[in-house]
Amino acid sequence: EDKVVQSPLSLVVHEGDTVTLNCSYEVTNFRSLLWYKQEKKAPTFLFMLTSSGIEKKSGRLSSILDKKELFSILNITATQTGDSAIYLCAVSRGGGGADGLTFGKGTHLIIQP
Amino acid sequence: EAGVAQSPRYKIIEKRQSVAFWCNPISGHATLYWYQQILGQGPKLLIQFQNNGVVDDSQLPKDRFSAERLKGVDSTLKIQPAKLEDSAVYLCASSLGWVGVTQYNEQFFGPGTRLTVL
Repeated sequence: EDKVVQSPLSLVVHEGDTVTLNCSYEVTNFRSLLWYKQEKKAPTFLFMLTSSGIEKKSGRLSSILDKKELFSILNITATQTGDSAIYLCAVSRGGGGADGLTFGKGTHLIIQP
Repeated sequence: EAGVAQSPRYKIIEKRQSVAFWCNPISGHATLYWYQQILGQGPKLLIQFQNNGVVDDSQLPKDRFSAERLKGVDSTLKIQPAKLEDSAVYLCASSLGWVGVTQYNEQFFGPGTRLTVL
């Protein structure tokens, strides 16, 4: 059974801090790892990672994948109160049409002013 | 580009009643997914469609849940009869799927339907 474990489950920091969110996984026939941000609504897509060691960046957010050690990290620098949300990590399988995502429980990030 | 549309946004029913949710994916997206998100958990896949065919329904409780995508565009998810443990947010997502030999599997989510079963 596919498994995604995120840590920490919750995190409270002050505005301006840098945070690192962790995601480890076990999946048969790994295809990709995705990060989503979820506020009081639907998850919004952040990154999709398929190759080890290649960092993806979008503004203050960045993410990298290690396929040997089976984990990924999401970094947020110079955090702002608008970054407060649940960050979800998910994996998908390859090798056919079934590519539904297996999600972790998420990291609940709170940024205090 | 319009996003994934879902309705209703909220639904409250009593146990043993029936309920249906509707989803309209992003235009041109061949693949459609239904997820169930219980409070405090990540979304859990219920069913995946490729056009109007079912690709994966291994986690769908088929004794009470059913879903269809008859014309390969809109989809409905039904629960009959509902149980207390079905209280959750039901999320619909879509992805472009296969274009030629390339698979685009970034999934884009709708706003969800929050179901409360009393």
